[in-house]
Amino acid sequence: SYVLTQPPSVSVAPGKTARITCGGNNIGSKSVHWYQQKPGQAPVLVIYYDSDRPSGIPERFSGSNSGNTATLTISRVEAGDEADYYCQVWDSSSGAVFGGGTKLTVL
Amino acid sequence: EVQLVESGGGLVQPGGSLRLSCAASGFTFSSYWMSWVRQAPGKGLEWVANIKQDGSEKYYVDSVKGRFTISRDNAKNSLYLQMNSLRAEDTAVYYCARGGAGPNFHFDLWGRGTLVTVSS
Repeated sequence: SYVLTQPPSVSVAPGKTARITCGGNNIGSKSVHWYQQKPGQAPVLVIYYDSDRPSGIPERFSGSNSGNTATLTISRVEAGDEADYYCQVWDSSSGAVFGGGTKLTVL
Repeated sequence: EVQLVESGGGLVQPGGSLRLSCAASGFTFSSYWMSWVRQAPGKGLEWVANIKQDGSEKYYVDSVKGRFTISRDNAKNSLYLQMNSLRAEDTAVYYCARGGAGPNFHFDLWGRGTLVTVSS
């Protein structure tokens, strides 16, 4: 089965840039999607197809994907960005696969 | 309003059954693949199953194969998950999620979830 690896936690000061990684075997050959989940709420799509943003998602959110690592970048981090973030891909044998999630803490 | 609303969760004993429902509104339900995704307490997201627009294709995560059945009724704009032989490890919030025109799209719309607790 395909495995996605995320750091359990990332901390960043307000106004700085947060980078959350998602590692997987040759993940650059797959499309990566990212979700934000705040406590007690359903996940929200923030990036799809590696780097596209749904309407309503701030331009501060961006994504990239190459080799064995995909990255979600949040620029000018705000207190409201504090949440869990999950990467997701589709695998032919496993179906939809999610990373373990990264808790973003705004210091 | 475009939304998904789940229902049917609750407390069930190990070995029991439960049927979850998801009511869709505000979009053309029959145009999308649909999925169930679950989240155990304090844990991450896990995809459970998905179903094609016309119900002709269904896929499941290995841990629920043979126990869970996904179905849909396009006339009622509804998605279902029949869960049998439930185990403690099936305890989770179950989310209904909208996919896309193909089986491997992102999930761009989620319901608020319904909690299933398997315990004696």
